[in-house]
Order: sequence, then C-alpha cells, then structure tokens
Amino acid sequence: QPVLTQSPSASASLGASVKLTCTLSSGHTTYPIAWHQQQPEKGPRYLMKINTDGSHSEGDGIPDRFSGSGSGAERYLTISRLQSEDEADYYCQTWDTDIHVFGRGTHLTVL
Amino acid sequence: EVQLVDSGGDLVQPGGSLRLSCEASGFTFSLYHMTWVRQAPGKGLEWVANINPGGRAKYSVGSVKGRFTISRDDAKNSLYLQMNSLRVDDTAVYYCARQKFGGQIDYWGQGTLVTVSS
Repeated sequence: QPVLTQSPSASASLGASVKLTCTLSSGHTTYPIAWHQQQPEKGPRYLMKINTDGSHSEGDGIPDRFSGSGSGAERYLTISRLQSEDEADYYCQTWDTDIHVFGRGTHLTVL
Repeated sequence: EVQLVDSGGDLVQPGGSLRLSCEASGFTFSLYHMTWVRQAPGKGLEWVANINPGGRAKYSVGSVKGRFTISRDDAKNSLYLQMNSLRVDDTAVYYCARQKFGGQIDYWGQGTLVTVSS
C-alpha cells in the first residue's frame, strides 16, 4: 500500500509564502493526492487534489492563496500571503480501490 | 450546500458496542462513495472504512476488520458505522466524509467523539 511522508512541522512569517511537501512511496509515485487543512479544535477541510501531472482542482471556497503542484513522487501545497488563520495541521491523502492513506501531517506555524 | 452531520458518539466500556450515524444533505447521496475517518486524541487522521454507491463494496482498515461494519441507507441519506468489541484504542473523534468520484475526500462532517474507557 502507498505511504505518504510529510515533515512534522514548518514555519513562515505572516504575509510570506510557504511550500509544504508530501512524498509518495516507491511504486506509488503516480498516485494523485489530496490536501486537507485542520485548524485548531476544528474538523478537517478539503483544500485540493493534485494529479500526477501536477494539475490541481481546489475545493469549494478555497482562497486562491492556496495552490498545488507536483514533481515525480512529490506533491506540494503552497500557501501565499500567509494569514494567522493558516496556522493549522495539513494532511495529505491518497487512495486506491480498497484503501485510503493519510500522511502524518505537517503543523504549520505562522510567525 | 453539502452538509454531513455526525452523531452517536458516547462513552462506552471496553467490549461494548456503539452505532454512529451521518446524515447527508445538499447532494445526491446515493451516487457517492462514503467514508469514515477517525482521529485519536492528539494524533493524525486514520481512514477506517468506506462504502461504494449501492453499498455492495465495503473496505476497512485491518485494525477494525471483523469488529466494525459500515452501511448506508440511501432512502434516509444516511451513513452508519456499527462498532462492536470496542477497545480503548478505538477512542477517537470519528468523521463521516464524502468521496468525489470514488477518489479524494471532498467534504467532512463535524465529527463525533467516541470514548472507550472503564
């Protein structure tokens, strides 16, 4: 089954940009992934899907400050013009017919 | 507007049973794959089970096989998770979620807390 690897933490300054990475395991590098945001004490929210070719489709109401891309086994989430409410946990997710897998999440701190 | 409302969470003793429900609205429920995801206190997200449109195909994570059963009632726009033989490590917030075209999760419920403790 696929495994997704994420850095445990990241930080960036208010108004700056940050790029989070999700790495697919060997043998699964062509899988699409999805990014989800979980703000403190809230449920997750779907942000976007990243396809193998790097194309992406955002969820409803997601600000254009959030964008996605991909290269090889890596899938990225870039957040521009960081705001305080972007401080959250970010999870990547992938799936096959009979299984879904989440990364362990990256906690983003907005300085 | 798509809405998923989770309910049924409670405090239950080890070995006990519980049934979670998720009421869906704002979309044609019968056409979508649906999923349960859980999150233990202070931990990340863990996929639990999913079910296809029509309910004939069901899959679950190994740790719940034989104990948890996912089901759906399309007439009631509802998803269920029957949890039996509950263990302390099943303690978590359980989220109902919709899958887009059988792929990624694109909508989440608000979650319901299950606590397994004596």
